Amino acid sequence: DTAVSQTPKYLVTQMGNDKSIKCEQNLGHDTMYWYKQDSKKFLKIMFSYNNKELIINETVPNRFSPKSPDKAHLNLHINSLELGDSAVYFCASSHLYGYTFGSGTRLTVV
Amino acid sequence: QQPVQSPQAVILREGEDAVINCSSSKALYSVHWYRQKHGEAPVFLMILLKGGEQKGHEKISASFNEKKQQSSLYLTASQLSYSGTYFCGTDQDQGGKLIFGQGTELSVKP
Repeated sequence: DTAVSQTPKYLVTQMGNDKSIKCEQNLGHDTMYWYKQDSKKFLKIMFSYNNKELIINETVPNRFSPKSPDKAHLNLHINSLELGDSAVYFCASSHLYGYTFGSGTRLTVV
Repeated sequence: QQPVQSPQAVILREGEDAVINCSSSKALYSVHWYRQKHGEAPVFLMILLKGGEQKGHEKISASFNEKKQQSSLYLTASQLSYSGTYFCGTDQDQGGKLIFGQGTELSVKP
């Protein structure tokens, strides 16, 4: 059983399109995150939810909108995609100690 | 706010030792260490919560000097499987939000 699963694994899309990434965790963790990893491998936090409530919202363009229907799911919707949005997006969950990351979604905007 | 890791890259022969350092300009509540292999998700190695505490398992251990706002990861008798990019993640406000260093690329050669 995959602990934190993300779909899709790869996403290639044109500028201006809207796309979504889904994340589910079966670890029973209360907190989930979205991180963006750029081409230089820099991991930057975007959002964090605790039990469906948004608790961290970094300076991310409002084209990015997270949604957590329940504490096991955290989705990311991106409107009007831009070239600079190309990156690997990781979902993660945590309980008391340590993050468990999903396998990532490689988004390429052309 | 981003912690600084050093060195940026290191190449080892199997059986050699390495130290990776992580320094923060801000006081830290905890430090996490993760390893990421190419094309995969970061994997949790360990978390350090108290100043001066050393933790580890097998041949990978770490220390955390709370006063100096520094942590070090020690890899002894390196194995080929240790290759990857190592990240420290710092929690600066006990909020669970991790800010990651820029990563240290470790290559272990036969």
